Parts: sequence; structure tokens; C-alpha cells
Amino acid sequence: GDSVTQMEGPVTLSEEAFLTINCTYTATGYPSLFWYVQYPGEGLQLLLKATKADDKGSNKGFEATYRKETTSFHLEKGSVQVSDSAVYFCALSDYYDMRFGAGTRLTVKP
Amino acid sequence: NAGVTQTPKFQVLKTGQSMTLQCAQDMNHEYMSWYRQDPGMGLRLIHYSVGAGITDQGEVPNGYNVSRSTTEDFPLRLLSAAPSQTSVYFCASSYSSGPSSGNTIYFGEGSWLTVV
Repeated sequence: GDSVTQMEGPVTLSEEAFLTINCTYTATGYPSLFWYVQYPGEGLQLLLKATKADDKGSNKGFEATYRKETTSFHLEKGSVQVSDSAVYFCALSDYYDMRFGAGTRLTVKP
Repeated sequence: NAGVTQTPKFQVLKTGQSMTLQCAQDMNHEYMSWYRQDPGMGLRLIHYSVGAGITDQGEVPNGYNVSRSTTEDFPLRLLSAAPSQTSVYFCASSYSSGPSSGNTIYFGEGSWLTVV
């Protein structure tokens, strides 16, 4: 079945560093792709999404491009802040289900 | 704006007990679902519903029941709790057909369940 693989963490960066979290997917159809963020003690919140190949999703300085040729949807941010510390989940839509990666914990130090 | 509301937030059960996790949404969403989150495994779908009176199984349905008598509510029942059901449970909702059309899924804040 469809699945998502994302880079394992944890990832620790200094403030203002560049962030990349890799995400690749396996799908038989043409899923939509998502990045969700989870802050401690909270539910998941949508960070960005892309619904077709070559679409770029962006929000709060984060970006990800739907690459069909490499089946990837890597998350990037040019300059991280302490407030970006959270767990990030890559996901794809699969009919009535969302398939999530295992999550990558990001810690940003001042 | 309440969004998706889950109760209780924390619960400890003994093996064999039953309980119901409540979920309500006030966004008039047709699609609702329950996920469990376990360390290193992301979220896995337990059950989902595409409208009142309609439910279906997800990836990990065993040991859980659901019903959807109204658009707003989607309770999850644990029939006979087992330690393997210790997890964090998330209720979610979305417009119309759910995630398949790229619709955003909105999550509740989670319910931490421990079965001893």
C-alpha cells in the first residue's frame, strides 16, 4: 500500500540555521502531500500541502515541492527559530486515509 | 471557535475495562476519523466516517467500535481494554470526502490513554 518515509531524528539546529527534513513516498495513484507539525501536548496542525506534481506548498517560511520524478516532498526553511521546535510529520492522502511518516523531532537552540 | 474537541484528555484503565472517547466538531464536517499515535510509528487510522450513519474500518480497527448518529459526534469505544491499546488517540475531521481531494484534516488535541 501507499507509504511515507521521512528522515529519522532527532534533529538539533542552532537558531538561524537552514533546515531540511527529507520525505519520500510510495503511491500507486496521485496523492496529495502534506506536512503537519505537532507542538508538545497538542494535536497536529497543517503546515503546508501540495495537491499535484510540481506544486510548491509554503507557510511561515517553510516550503516543500511535490516532486513526482523523485517521489519526494522535502521540507525546507531558510532560517529556523527556537519557536520552530516541534515534531514534523510528512503525510499523503490515500482515499479516506492519511498515511503518516514516523515524525521528525526538531530542536532549535538559541 | 472550538474546532475538534476530545474528552477526556487523560485516562487510566484497567485491563478488561471498557470506555468511550468522545469527539465533537462544530465545523459541519462530513468526514471524521480516529487515529492512534505510537512512538516511532506516526499516526494510524482506526475508523472513519464520511457522514452520519456511515462508518468504516481503517488500518488498525480491532478492539474498537465507532458510531456516527449525528454529523457533530464520533465516539470511539474500547470494548475490553488491553495494554496494547496504551496510546495517544486523535480525533480528526475534514470537509466532504476527507483527505482524498487534498482537503485539510483538522485534529483534536489528543487523549492520552494508559491501560494497566
